[in-house]
Amino acid sequence: AQSVAQPEDQVNVAEGNPLTVKCTYSVSGNPYLFWYVQYPNRGLQFLLKYITGDNLVKGSYGFEAEFNKSQTSFHLKKPSALVSDSALYFCAVREPGATNKLIFGTGTLLAVQP
Amino acid sequence: DTAVSQTPKYLVTQMGNDKSIKCEQNLGHDTMYWYKQDSKKFLKIMFSYNNKELIINETVPNRFSPKSPDKAHLNLHINSLELGDSAVYFCASSQAGTSGDWVFGPGTRLTVL
Repeated sequence: AQSVAQPEDQVNVAEGNPLTVKCTYSVSGNPYLFWYVQYPNRGLQFLLKYITGDNLVKGSYGFEAEFNKSQTSFHLKKPSALVSDSALYFCAVREPGATNKLIFGTGTLLAVQP
Repeated sequence: DTAVSQTPKYLVTQMGNDKSIKCEQNLGHDTMYWYKQDSKKFLKIMFSYNNKELIINETVPNRFSPKSPDKAHLNLHINSLELGDSAVYFCASSQAGTSGDWVFGPGTRLTVL
């Protein structure tokens, strides 16, 4: 079965510092990987995805993620964190086949301190 | 222009009642989903419809019954509500067979008293 793991429940970072939110995946075949963000009391917003091609994917709000096949990872990164980046971040993988199901990790709460 | 909309946004009800949540998408997608987010923020898929046909039915109590009158709408009806049904329910849509994104609605916060 396809799955993603987010090993950190919470990541704390000071404003202006680089941030990394970790995600590892377990899939058969080529993975379709996604990052979504959920602000308090809001829905899920798409940040970026990896389908194929360049391993470094750029997304919304200055975020990027690096696909690493050998380490089966897809970590989310940003060079300089903002307080407004504080939110819940979800990594997800699309299950191949007819079901077109998106499977989410457990989420990582990012807290950016001023 | 809201891409995926849900009504109501909040739903507070008593145990044993029956309630419905509605979802509509104007993206022209052919697949719609219901996800449940529990108190620990875990997101789990419940159902998926493709062109009005049920294609995913996870281990969900029979009290939950999805209905898709057309490919732009997917409603969720819940019978005999229980305390454990309290959660945020998200509707989403996507276009099957493409690398397109899943687009999520704003969520419906259901509280069962």
